[in-house]
Amino acid sequence: DQQVKQNSPSLSVQEGRISILNCDYTNSMFDYFLWYKKYPAEGPTFLISISSIKDKNEDGRFTVFLNKSAKHLSLHIVPSQPGDSAVYFCAAGIVGSNYKLTFGKGTLLTVNP
Amino acid sequence: EAQVTQNPRYLITVTGKKLTVTCSQNMNHEYMSWYRQDPGLGLRQIYYSMNVEVTDKGDVPEGYKVSRKEKRNFPLILESPSPNQTSLYFCASRKTGGLRVGEQFFGPGTRLTVL
Repeated sequence: DQQVKQNSPSLSVQEGRISILNCDYTNSMFDYFLWYKKYPAEGPTFLISISSIKDKNEDGRFTVFLNKSAKHLSLHIVPSQPGDSAVYFCAAGIVGSNYKLTFGKGTLLTVNP
Repeated sequence: EAQVTQNPRYLITVTGKKLTVTCSQNMNHEYMSWYRQDPGLGLRQIYYSMNVEVTDKGDVPEGYKVSRKEKRNFPLILESPSPNQTSLYFCASRKTGGLRVGEQFFGPGTRLTVL
């Protein structure tokens, strides 16, 4: 049972445009969500997070939106840059659950110059 | 530099030959965890440790052992590796509590091939 789903294996956008990466979840107990970015031959690095008490969190070019009623979150990157090309993982957790994170399968973003 | 290190980075071995993948962090983090990443499956947690001498199973613990004798080290042990353990392994750590909800720091990964 996949509790965190990233249904788009890949996404390609032009430099300067907006990248929107989507994530759906099924477990209504999740109360925080994170996005990680992963370059080849490196470990995932934390990008941005959001608590379930918020519907938006912004950090520079990165904004995460949470729609709890739809059990959906999205990561917006504006403007997209070639250096943003990486695999993006959505992850979710439950406060008090020993910091366990449940990850999606990832979406490969390619930003073309 | 704050980091999580893993060794080796690449390993090819044969079925049944015991191996250990080391993980070390220099951030004084209490929590450490092991994940495996497989194509089409994302990252799945193998084992985690809340602190020294405290370890517990994740989602896919079969065939693995861990130990946490020191705060900085969290080795992953495969007593009798099998081909289905061929995967990309990541160690991660985080401070318990902390300002950023859920943020874990990951090592660079160990690519293991079991023939």
